[in-house]
Amino acid sequence: NAGVTQTPKFRILKIGQSMTLQCAQDMNHNYMYWYRQDPGMGLKLIYYSVGAGITDKGEVPNGYNVSRSTTEDFPLRLELAAPSQTSVYFCASSRGDEGIFSYEQYFGPGTRLTVT
Amino acid sequence: AQTVTQSQPEMSVQEAETVTLSCTYDTSESDYYLFWYKQPPSRQMILVIRQEAYKQQNATENRFSVNFQKAAKSFSLKISDSQLGDAAMYFCAYRGGYGGSQGNLIFGKGTKLSVKP
Repeated sequence: NAGVTQTPKFRILKIGQSMTLQCAQDMNHNYMYWYRQDPGMGLKLIYYSVGAGITDKGEVPNGYNVSRSTTEDFPLRLELAAPSQTSVYFCASSRGDEGIFSYEQYFGPGTRLTVT
Repeated sequence: AQTVTQSQPEMSVQEAETVTLSCTYDTSESDYYLFWYKQPPSRQMILVIRQEAYKQQNATENRFSVNFQKAAKSFSLKISDSQLGDAAMYFCAYRGGYGGSQGNLIFGKGTKLSVKP
């Protein structure tokens, strides 16, 4: 299993540009998440999904959109990039059924995004 | 809303010694789960240890153990026989119980651990 994969690893955007961060998992997990990590901070939830076709906002959703057409993929779309979106973005997944081992989240390697 | 606080931005330990990282949290839920994640310079988030709130016994994973004090809402991580490879950012994280949350983790700001040879 590859686990959770993210592309690209690094990206530099100009203000106002758009891009999609890709995330895929091959563990047949129901739950998927997007977090952002700003310098010196912990991770904050942007969006999450509990299954294909179902998404919802997290703590910091403004400026982002997501979709979940398949169990495996959960892309994050940035529209009209702003310097405040400079961050490291992590995708994660978990089984989503009950029990601590199903709650464990598996993280991708992250995407470092700079908006200038 | 739940919050997680890590009061030590940086810690240092001598190789082979023991170090304890602090974490406190605030919640009104009775059913929840706590985790410690390690983030080395590679940025990869690696699960170190997990604890279920309804279990009184402290979790242990090899050199890593926790001191879980539910009444005090404290969840510290002890690293024994510290190794150079333990140097990393360590994040404490909280997850609400099944059906009571959206399933995401709430993270503290992290503690940067340095290991001196």
